[in-house]
Amino acid sequence: GAVVSQHPSRVICKSGTSVKIECRSLDFQATTMFWYRQFPKQSLMLMATSNEGSKATYEQGVEKDKFLINHASLTLSTLTVTSAHPEDSSFYICRGHGYTFGSGTRLTVV
Amino acid sequence: GESVGLHLPTLSVQEGDNSIINCAYSNSASDYFIWYKQESGKGPQFIIDIRSNMDKRQGQRVTVLLNKTVKHLSLQIAATQPGDSAVYFCAEKVNSGGSQGNLIFGKGTKLSVKP
Repeated sequence: GAVVSQHPSRVICKSGTSVKIECRSLDFQATTMFWYRQFPKQSLMLMATSNEGSKATYEQGVEKDKFLINHASLTLSTLTVTSAHPEDSSFYICRGHGYTFGSGTRLTVV
Repeated sequence: GESVGLHLPTLSVQEGDNSIINCAYSNSASDYFIWYKQESGKGPQFIIDIRSNMDKRQGQRVTVLLNKTVKHLSLQIAATQPGDSAVYFCAEKVNSGGSQGNLIFGKGTKLSVKP
């Protein structure tokens, strides 16, 4: 149970463009999803908590206008990296119900 | 919380030996702990957990030990196999109740198993 499906697994985009990452809960209703970012050889850092039907909660230092989170249904949360820059290149991972993580999205901004 | 560096600590073991991976956690109010295994390019995979009212829990080939006095957690892997090669993270949950609390991750240890 508590399976989380994350897409895409890899994405390369040009500087200045936006990228959307999806996280779907396949066998449970997720009122809350957690979004993490992981730089190479580093640990996971919580970016924000998305809440179904309400605004996301962002961690200190995370720009909410740059990392747009939408949690419009009980099975889908999305993270959109707007106007991406090379420093946004990272591994983005979602966590759903319980302690199960998605498979991650490797974002490379060129 | 844990400081994050650019170089992961590395543990190198021979296949068949036992591995012990250590973690110091930060918050004495943490009531739940998890060990995750992360292979390259993948999300963290749940291995084993332990609640703060326990000091030891065993799974298949893995054992987690919790020492609340010194805020220390360890993961023991018996008869380590090449497939165990990965980065291992400990995580602590501070908020009690349900599965909605934030997890705070340790810095990670890279386990390399030599055949």
